[in-house]
Amino acid sequence: DAGVTQSPTHLIKTRGQQVTLRCSPKSGHDTVSWYQQALGQGPQFIFQYYEEEERQRGNFPDRFSGHQFPNYSSELNVNALLLGDSALYLCASSSGQYYGYTFGSGTRLTVV
Amino acid sequence: KQEVTQIPAALSVPEGENLVLNCSFTDSAIYNLQWFRQDPGKGLTSLLLIQSSQREQTSGRLNASLDKSSGRSTLYIAASQPGDSATYLCAAGDAGNTPLVFGKGTRLSVIA
Repeated sequence: DAGVTQSPTHLIKTRGQQVTLRCSPKSGHDTVSWYQQALGQGPQFIFQYYEEEERQRGNFPDRFSGHQFPNYSSELNVNALLLGDSALYLCASSSGQYYGYTFGSGTRLTVV
Repeated sequence: KQEVTQIPAALSVPEGENLVLNCSFTDSAIYNLQWFRQDPGKGLTSLLLIQSSQREQTSGRLNASLDKSSGRSTLYIAASQPGDSATYLCAAGDAGNTPLVFGKGTRLSVIA
């Protein structure tokens, strides 16, 4: 049973560019959440998708947007990249809150 | 607003020692609490999930406890091994499918 799959694993972008990160949830999960983790910090919540709608959003600017597809997979888009966007981006999937969250291996984004 | 704190930030112990990692949270009305392990540059691996109605959960050499009234959770690792070296993160989940709130983690080094 595959867990949460994220792609790509690493990415280098230039300031001002746009990036798309992808996530396939664990089989049986219908909710996808995205987190940003800076070096030495705990993950910070970006947003959560359920039934193809953004259900909740953290304190991130509109440059961060997302999408969920009918097969529950999800994309995270970041426009006008800043150096400060360099971080590990984590995707987590869940099916209801009771059983907790399963995280992927993350995408390491470096903005130069 | 839920806030999670983990103390200490870093811990170094000799192999074979039993140890306790601490996690505190400000809002005792949590739904559940999840402990994760993170190896350098990698994603999060779920270790234990404790529901608000439970006092503790065990998996192998790991035991996690939850005391809602005091706003504390502990992760006990028995007979530590060098392979236990990693960062351990705790995350509080509040009711209503709210996103997980993470601490900054405890970086554990087990010395052979």
